[in-house]
Amino acid sequence: GAVVSQHPSRVICKSGTSVKIECRSLDFQATTMFWYRQFPKQSLMLMATSNEGSKATYEQGVEKDKFLINHASLTLSTLTVTSAHPEDSSFYICSAPKTSGGVRAKNIQYFGAGTRLSVL
Amino acid sequence: GQQLNQSPQSMFIQEGEDVSMNCTSSSIFNTWLWYKQDPGEGPVLLIALYKAGELTSNGRLTAQFGITRKDSFLNISASIPSDVGIYFCAGSSTGNQFYFGTGTSLTVIP
Repeated sequence: GAVVSQHPSRVICKSGTSVKIECRSLDFQATTMFWYRQFPKQSLMLMATSNEGSKATYEQGVEKDKFLINHASLTLSTLTVTSAHPEDSSFYICSAPKTSGGVRAKNIQYFGAGTRLSVL
Repeated sequence: GQQLNQSPQSMFIQEGEDVSMNCTSSSIFNTWLWYKQDPGEGPVLLIALYKAGELTSNGRLTAQFGITRKDSFLNISASIPSDVGIYFCAGSSTGNQFYFGTGTSLTVIP
């Protein structure tokens, strides 16, 4: 079953409105989550690192005032696209690292199913 | 952010053929992951590699962590139609933040 849940899967909005996307880790705690953006037929581009209890870290060229990230709990991070415009239309995907136990703990990134944002 | 070089960009193969793709980085990584993404879906993990030289299989898929720690390879044997999709490599030097390859689009012709 899904390890990371992302909601909504699809959203259509008018230009100028804000859209919130949620990312939840289902059976583990994630102090860090990641937000990616993907254009058609292109790879995933890391937008920002969401840190529980502190400010997000944004990649170069990503507007922090445009893409607001809130990591309010150990299982939830939200991405809000503020005053969305057509050029913000894209596929947004979150991920969360889950650590497998043992002496040599290993992180595996699990991804949400993605959110298709269409701004009219 | 950093993006890894992945090749080939696309492949069109006959069902039953083997597939090979690779990914290179300018940085040394300590973790390589391989994902498959279907249209409109998020990436799904196929194989995880944690040690230079490591060779790991998952059914018909085999991936290797390059000795230089700057590359990784994915092979698919005896391809079937459901192998169609986009394959991404991802590498990390921290084990936490990952950067993705440019993707390989695979088409399998029945």
